Amino acid sequence: RKEVEQDPGPFNVPEGATVAFNCTYSNSASQSFFWYRQDCRKEPKLLMSVYSSGNEDGRFTAQLNRASQYISLLIRDSKLSDSATYLCVVTHNTDKLIFGTGTRLQVFP
Amino acid sequence: EAGVVQSPRYKIIEKKQPVAFWCNPISGHNTLYWYRQNLGQGPELLIRYENEEAVDDSQLPKDRFSAERLKGVDSTLKIQPAELGDSAVYLCASSGSGRYEQFFGPGTRLTVL
Repeated sequence: RKEVEQDPGPFNVPEGATVAFNCTYSNSASQSFFWYRQDCRKEPKLLMSVYSSGNEDGRFTAQLNRASQYISLLIRDSKLSDSATYLCVVTHNTDKLIFGTGTRLQVFP
Repeated sequence: EAGVVQSPRYKIIEKKQPVAFWCNPISGHNTLYWYRQNLGQGPELLIRYENEEAVDDSQLPKDRFSAERLKGVDSTLKIQPAELGDSAVYLCASSGSGRYEQFFGPGTRLTVL
């Protein structure tokens, strides 16, 4: 079993839709959590950190449930430019990033 | 501010040949990482450097892979000899001291024939 699991998708949604991605992690000692975005044939880039209290950045909201070892990302009012792969990432007590396989999002007009 | 620089961007070689990748991290970033990303997968860490010291190389296949960061700045990753299964994108990343955010370079796409 992979340490970080994500639904690979693809999620095909129309512009303006709300879409949610989920991620589970197996190591209860995981300490820090992130969502990275990776465009096709490009490098991953940090989208946002994920905190227990939840955090919001514009149309993006990330939530963490430590008890269930579950992380989510909600995108509201989807734009064509949101089309990408979204990577769920956890760390332990070092800065070693452990990536999920990614969830591919395709927003269509 | 310049980002992480990698070269070459693409490399095609025949199996059993050697290959080397080069990375120049963001200026002032002490921590440097090499990742491998297979198609449809997330990146997987190969090796992490703190300055010139390799502090985590547990995932590096040491029979054929080697890496160095001699002066604590640039780094090279070498494969000798390459195998078909080594075809992947090799990503270099760097981060500042005490910071989790890692900045990735554009990667080197390796194809082994």
